[in-house]
Amino acid sequence: GAVVSQHPSRVICKSGTSVKIECRSLDFQATTMFWYRQFPKQSLMLMATSNEGSKATYEQGVEKDKFLINHASLTLSTLTVTSAHPEDSSFYICSAGDGVRLNIQYFGAGTRLSVL
Amino acid sequence: GENVEQHPSTLSVQEGDSAVIKCTYSDSASNYFPWYKQELGKRPQLIIDIRSNVGEKKDQRIAVTLNKTAKHFSLHITETQPEDSAVYFCAANNFGNEKLTFGTGTRLTIIP
Repeated sequence: GAVVSQHPSRVICKSGTSVKIECRSLDFQATTMFWYRQFPKQSLMLMATSNEGSKATYEQGVEKDKFLINHASLTLSTLTVTSAHPEDSSFYICSAGDGVRLNIQYFGAGTRLSVL
Repeated sequence: GENVEQHPSTLSVQEGDSAVIKCTYSDSASNYFPWYKQELGKRPQLIIDIRSNVGEKKDQRIAVTLNKTAKHFSLHITETQPEDSAVYFCAANNFGNEKLTFGTGTRLTIIP
């Protein structure tokens, strides 16, 4: 199957700093990528849809100024958590479809963010 | 929008027995239903999916059934093994929208 790479896998940062997470499609182009947040023992909650060359679409309740998304190329989307606080600590996962196998989403390995 | 409910939230099964996880969805336009397996701290892995033009799909020990009229679909795992222990998520969407709506997850534990 298609491969989605996510980096870094683990981040520990101080409160108030910003953290950037990268999501890359390694062997296919993705016009759309998705960013999820997962709290311990909970489901994946969609945060936003990242659209190549245009603004991201955010789900209700997700602050777009807090979670900045950039999708500047067909293989890379980035999520920046700005001015991170302890309540932002979570597991962030991206996904993308390869456009060949309709609707199938491939997930990155996730980034565990811990804000001290 | 779509709403997906999943039951049970936890399930313990003796090794070798079968496990069944059920999901219901609300949007009758949904026509794609994947199941993902997620081990602790790892990425969700697609294990099987079904599209609305079929009622059942099987892949070795795993099968999925779909009832469009009742708007529910189920995951069946037979001859369970310890490595089947994980959290399983169902999801739904339609062909016109890549966005997946996930169920709340089922933590499956296989008892040796």
